[in-house]
Amino acid sequence: DAKTTQPNSMESNEEEPVHLPCNHSTISGTDYIHWYRQLPSQGPEYVIHGLTSNVNNRMASLAIAEDRKSSTLILHRATLRDAAVYYCILRGYTNGQNFVFGPGTRLSVLP
Amino acid sequence: GAVVSQHPSWVICKSGTSVKIECRSLDFQATTMFWYRQFPKQSLMLMATSNEGSKATYEQGVEKDKFLINHASLTLSTLTVTSAHPEDSSFYICSAQTPADRGRRRNEQFFGPGTRLTVL
Repeated sequence: DAKTTQPNSMESNEEEPVHLPCNHSTISGTDYIHWYRQLPSQGPEYVIHGLTSNVNNRMASLAIAEDRKSSTLILHRATLRDAAVYYCILRGYTNGQNFVFGPGTRLSVLP
Repeated sequence: GAVVSQHPSWVICKSGTSVKIECRSLDFQATTMFWYRQFPKQSLMLMATSNEGSKATYEQGVEKDKFLINHASLTLSTLTVTSAHPEDSSFYICSAQTPADRGRRRNEQFFGPGTRLTVL
């Protein structure tokens, strides 16, 4: 499985934008970039995913580098409820393929 | 979005007893479900892949006779921790994979809320 590298932790102030980086230099052409987040004592929650183009949804934006070797999850206005561990995961769309979770980035949001 | 439920959300049991955890996909049929385990302050680790109507595929180091998986229907997979011991105490999370006809979210995984197992 292609590996991702994320900072262990990040801090943000409430109401400010947050940019969570992810490096995936060994990504293959068929790997999608997924972001999930996990709040304390809960299962992972889908945030966003993309292949080549930048993606936006109601939760966040995903900016993908042109060479696809890195990506950035953007939370436009952090709230206290966004404090969680954010996982950047590569996965193809082969049926039956599981997700491989790294340690993720623990985001703290300061009031 | 798709919803996956787990039952129970938490369980406390005595050492040596067996515990069954259910995972249900509520609004789609899942031929494939996955079981993960998460110890405190660690990431999720895949335990096994559960395929409807066939035997589960276990990851290296996971004892198949201790963690029994049954995927008898397209909406239900169960994980039974047999003869549980304190070292089995963990957060168990399942995920269900959407079918190929689900549009952009095809072959996606939706995660359950997790089951916290404490073995005394």
